[in-house]
Amino acid sequence: SQQGEEDPQALSIQEGENATMNCSYKTSINNLQWYRQNSGRGLVHLILIRSNEREKHSGRLRVTLDTSKKSSSLLITASRAADTASYFCATFPSPGGKLIFGQGTELSVKP
Amino acid sequence: GAVVSQHPSRVICKSGTSVKIECRSLDFQATTMFWYRQFPKQSLMLMATSNEGSKATYEQGVEKDKFLINHASLTLSTLTVTSAHPEDSSFYICSVEQFFGPGTRLTVL
Repeated sequence: SQQGEEDPQALSIQEGENATMNCSYKTSINNLQWYRQNSGRGLVHLILIRSNEREKHSGRLRVTLDTSKKSSSLLITASRAADTASYFCATFPSPGGKLIFGQGTELSVKP
Repeated sequence: GAVVSQHPSRVICKSGTSVKIECRSLDFQATTMFWYRQFPKQSLMLMATSNEGSKATYEQGVEKDKFLINHASLTLSTLTVTSAHPEDSSFYICSVEQFFGPGTRLTVL
């Protein structure tokens, strides 16, 4: 069953703008991960944030985690047309468990 | 991280036939692999956990007799869709740890 809810479901922005996607979940987690999926392709792992971390950066990506609100956000700065894809959060519940995916946000970056 | 491959990338078959999909962990010995299914415009749904040397663990609502999983070695898991029907048409993706294969697009006519 799905644990995560993501919003917005779809986001359309201009190149150069920032894109923010949010993810909420229901149970306690060990970590939360963000993935990108280009149309018809597999998933690319972007970033993992552990439950004891609040913020993590990787290049133009910034992920925050608020375990008290059971939510996370993914910020892509200075977006590019190549960032156009679906973005999914996935939680790894604690204790143990399997990756559970959110519904995803479809990002469209217009040149 | 693990490099995961899948074969085939795309398969079209007639209704009633069986289709085998392979998932290989190229540089990592995986005692556990995961199989997901993704319908168009939807998220990934975990189907089953493939366990090397033992039976797979299926998620609720997934028919184990229809989706046969074999994890014969530490680098290979196979998913066989038996007696496939059009409603089985989907994108099937496997994973090792947090790394995913490129997926297999199954179309059942």
